[in-house]
Amino acid sequence: NAGVTQTPKFQVLKTGQSMTLQCAQDMNHNSMYWYRQDPGMGLRLIYYSASEGTTDKGEVPNGYNVSRLNKREFSLRLESAAPSQTSVYFCASSAQGLDQPQHFGDGTRLSIL
Amino acid sequence: GESVGLHLPTLSVQEGDNSIINCAYSNSASDYFIWYKQESGKGPQFIIDIRSNMDKRQGQRVTVLLNKTVKHLSLQIAATQPGDSAVYFCAEHTGRRALTFGSGTRLQVQP
Repeated sequence: NAGVTQTPKFQVLKTGQSMTLQCAQDMNHNSMYWYRQDPGMGLRLIYYSASEGTTDKGEVPNGYNVSRLNKREFSLRLESAAPSQTSVYFCASSAQGLDQPQHFGDGTRLSIL
Repeated sequence: GESVGLHLPTLSVQEGDNSIINCAYSNSASDYFIWYKQESGKGPQFIIDIRSNMDKRQGQRVTVLLNKTVKHLSLQIAATQPGDSAVYFCAEHTGRRALTFGSGTRLQVQP
């Protein structure tokens, strides 16, 4: 049972390039989330999808877009990458509702030059 | 806005001792709290959670205490082991919002 799988694990981009981070969960969870984590800091919510067909902005949505492709998959897109988006990105899922334990993937380490 | 905070950024303990990691929250309407452990290079791992209608909850070697009067949450780890070395985050849920995470406490276990 893989849980939450994120691809790629590492990526280097140039300023202005675009990229989509992929996330898939195999736990039949309804809710999915994207976070970023900067050095020495906690997790900041970018976007989330409480259920299939819905998406909502989190704390730091600017510069990002998301797509809930189906119940399993939730992607995060950077349309025009900026150095300030250098970070570790985590995807998470939870069974039902926002007041449930979230299960995390191991992250995508993204550097933008 | 209101946020979750932590008292100590780094906690160093001896192997075999008990560890206590603290977390202060400021939103009295928060109804659900959760602790995560994050090892280097990995995603956060769920440890234990507690709802606001409880004061205490125990797991395997871990206990979470919730004091709503002073808006304080703590994680107690019994007989701390080297494998417990990690960063620990608390998070809170309020209303219809997603979880809000604190900045984390690093636990260092000395042999």
